[in-house]
Amino acid sequence: QQPVQSPQAVILREGEDAVINCSSSKALYSVHWYRQKHGEAPVFLMILLKGGEQKGHEKISASFNEKKQQSSLYLTASQLSYSGTYFCGTVPSNAGGTSYGKLTFGQGTILTVHP
Amino acid sequence: SAVISQKPSRDICQRGTSLTIQCQVDSQVTMMFWYRQQPGQSLTLIATANQGSEATYESGFVIDKFPISRPNLTFSTLTVSNMSPEDSSIYLCSAQVGYEQYFGPGTRLTVT
Repeated sequence: QQPVQSPQAVILREGEDAVINCSSSKALYSVHWYRQKHGEAPVFLMILLKGGEQKGHEKISASFNEKKQQSSLYLTASQLSYSGTYFCGTVPSNAGGTSYGKLTFGQGTILTVHP
Repeated sequence: SAVISQKPSRDICQRGTSLTIQCQVDSQVTMMFWYRQQPGQSLTLIATANQGSEATYESGFVIDKFPISRPNLTFSTLTVSNMSPEDSSIYLCSAQVGYEQYFGPGTRLTVT
């Protein structure tokens, strides 16, 4: 079943912060975050494995609440380059062997950053 | 990480014909995947292609329609057979490196 992302769209001005959420009805093994610009490939941002860890990369970080099957992506001090569609991809906790890469993607969150 | 290229980048095909999409990875990977993405929509997994074994297909996708080859650890092909306008979409391949997955730029297919 497809994870649910919220909000569907966000409009920001440069320097503002945003949070994108990803919720699943299934227990999760991992959550993957991607950003895709129009006409381009999805770009890998980060992966969170079960265990409730939080990761960060410059001004983009994410958390994973294993008990709630939820992940949040935090974008701080947004830049124009952050504009794009953000997807979360999930792997259920009962995945094994060759199933670790079988991602089920959310519907996407469109982020627009204005000057 | 991995750098992935796809050929062709786009094509316009006639109904009833077939198109083979090539995917090349710059390093050896065990697991490769094929996804479909309608413009403005999310990505849907078509199949998993592991070197040395038959591809495994997700619900709603069958081998006769989407045959896949995986001859070595850096290359895979997806064929879209007997195409109809409903097959118009973007087809992306991806490769798994550790727990991370990297995507190719996609092939934009239009069926007329």
